[in-house]
Amino acid sequence: EAGVAQSPRYKIIEKRQSVAFWCNPISGHATLYWYQQILGQGPKLLIQFQNNGVVDDSQLPKDRFSAERLKGVDSTLKIQPAKLEDSAVYLCASSRNYRGSRAFNEKLFFGSGTQLSVL
Amino acid sequence: KNEVEQSPQNLTAQEGEFITINCSYSVGISALHWLQQHPGGGIVSLFMLSSGKKKHGRLIATINIQEKHSSLHITASHPRDSAVYICAVSPIQGAQKLVFGQGTRLTINP
Repeated sequence: EAGVAQSPRYKIIEKRQSVAFWCNPISGHATLYWYQQILGQGPKLLIQFQNNGVVDDSQLPKDRFSAERLKGVDSTLKIQPAKLEDSAVYLCASSRNYRGSRAFNEKLFFGSGTQLSVL
Repeated sequence: KNEVEQSPQNLTAQEGEFITINCSYSVGISALHWLQQHPGGGIVSLFMLSSGKKKHGRLIATINIQEKHSSLHITASHPRDSAVYICAVSPIQGAQKLVFGQGTRLTINP
């Protein structure tokens, strides 16, 4: 079974530039997540998709971040314009689904991440 | 106070030692995850448990729901076990998302 694919692996940009990340989840996984992980901290959820619908984007800085999953498969995360504090690893993860309206008990599969440096 | 607290934050041990990493949480949960993150960012899911104990190779995870506490143990530790170990919980109440601990950085010296 192929894993979660992410690209690029590394990206260096200057502040105020734009950047986009791509994620292809495991085939058949309905739920896709984008996480931001700042050095020394645990991952922070940016956005969660269930198929092509957004389940949770409460922590997504919508003035500069956007994400889409148009066909319910792969997804892109964009930052425009980037700030210095956006330097982090951006992780994509997927899971088959979640059972029940409140419980989350599906195993997550993570991609290798994109390491973004904003100079 | 974070909803998920891990201890210790950093742990250095010699090869062969028995390792314990602890995770305490303050909310009711439906499941707890232990994740491993190697340098370079990739995260691997080690365990997902909601009660009792699970074992995989040299790794053992336990959870006590009443005490809101989980432990990850590594027996006969090896330098390749060096990584950041992250505890994450899925709260019963609220949105369907994981709440992550800050991670425990483990270094096993040969």
